[in-house]
Amino acid sequence: GAGVSQSPSNKVTEKGKDVELRCDPISGHTALYWYRQSLGQGLEFLIYFQGNSAPDKSGLPSDRFSAERTGGSVSTLTIQRTQQEDSAVYLCASSLSSTGFLYEQYFGPGTRLTVT
Amino acid sequence: GEDVEQSLFLSVREGDSSVINCTYTDSSSTYLYWYKQEPGAGLQLLTYIFSNMDMKQDQRLTVLLNKKDKHLSLRIADTQTGDSAIYFCAESESGYSTLTFGKGTMLLVSP
Repeated sequence: GAGVSQSPSNKVTEKGKDVELRCDPISGHTALYWYRQSLGQGLEFLIYFQGNSAPDKSGLPSDRFSAERTGGSVSTLTIQRTQQEDSAVYLCASSLSSTGFLYEQYFGPGTRLTVT
Repeated sequence: GEDVEQSLFLSVREGDSSVINCTYTDSSSTYLYWYKQEPGAGLQLLTYIFSNMDMKQDQRLTVLLNKKDKHLSLRIADTQTGDSAIYFCAESESGYSTLTFGKGTMLLVSP
């Protein structure tokens, strides 16, 4: 594909429900990142996948958040028992990976999650 | 912990220069970035600078880095209405590690 795609583009859910957000990275990109953009909070890192290595989950705000990356490509971010403070735009990015050099992170358009 | 701060809003007239400022706290920041986010769109990397550089120029964009003061700025020459967007400053310790972002500066360019 031409770029990183995310689905759905918008999601409205009731408090307490589970949601799944999907990210399709650029083909061939081995690194995948999830960020959250909240009003007044800016962008915060959530989780990072690099190839077959264990993901860096250090940014996940609670154990209600989890993410998987199947086959080293598509990733799903799952939020269980959603709360109103989970309302935000969830951004996915992907990049090539290497060591010692800069590889640009390409961002998707995001999924806007609204918890009512 | 790491922190990146930037002013929240800047308003300029078309044709003027815009200067967006950013400060960061992490001494191990190796790469510093400026991203642009237009309404309804994802983030787009505008430019970046290595921590061993003082300045980088790319067409209308000039990035200045004062490593001693941990201060980064983005100057946009001849600002156009199409430059209206949110600009994010970000830093990372390596070229492929996660990014720490500021909260973004909304640039509004009036005709």
